[in-house]
Amino acid sequence: GAVVSQHPSRVICKSGTSVKIECRSLDFQATTMFWYRQFPKQSLMLMATSNEGSKATYEQGVEKDKFLINHASLTLSTLTVTSAHPEDSSFYICSARDPTGTYSRNTGELFFGEGSRLTVL
Amino acid sequence: SQQGEEDPQALSIQEGENATMNCSYKTSINNLQWYRQNSGRGLVHLILIRSNEREKHSGRLRVTLDTSKKSSSLLITASRAADTASYFCATALTGANSKLTFGKGITLSVRP
Repeated sequence: GAVVSQHPSRVICKSGTSVKIECRSLDFQATTMFWYRQFPKQSLMLMATSNEGSKATYEQGVEKDKFLINHASLTLSTLTVTSAHPEDSSFYICSARDPTGTYSRNTGELFFGEGSRLTVL
Repeated sequence: SQQGEEDPQALSIQEGENATMNCSYKTSINNLQWYRQNSGRGLVHLILIRSNEREKHSGRLRVTLDTSKKSSSLLITASRAADTASYFCATALTGANSKLTFGKGITLSVRP
């Protein structure tokens, strides 16, 4: 399958600072990437859909100014957690589809990054 | 809101046994997918079944879909200790490339 790389895998920061997480598609160009948040032993909650060259589409209840998403190129989307607080501590995962189908066994299959665990002290 | 609800929430079996996991959803779908997640890692796509399909196989995996009951099941045959992971169903509502909504997940433990 295709590779989606996410960095950093772990980050610890102080309350009030901002943290940037990168998501890169290594094998294909992704016009759309998805950002999820996962609490311990819970499901993935879609935060936003990142669109290359345009604004992200945020899910209801997700603060746009809190979670800044930039998709400046076809292989890179970034999520910046601004003025992080302890309640923002979570596991953040990005994903993307291969639009060419070269790496997908099924149309619609998502390729996930390895996730980034954010701990805000 | 959650679209998919898996059951059981946790399943513990002996190596070699079959594992059956169920997923129910609420609205009409385009396709349903199953993913696997090892602890602290990203998700890996296992299998996809379209709304006009009833059963699919992939290796030791068998997935069924009953759109009248809005439910799906994932069967892992001849389980291995390496199958220990969390399993999630996810639904795409409007098209093959629409966003996915994930269920709560099932934790599968396979005892060697």
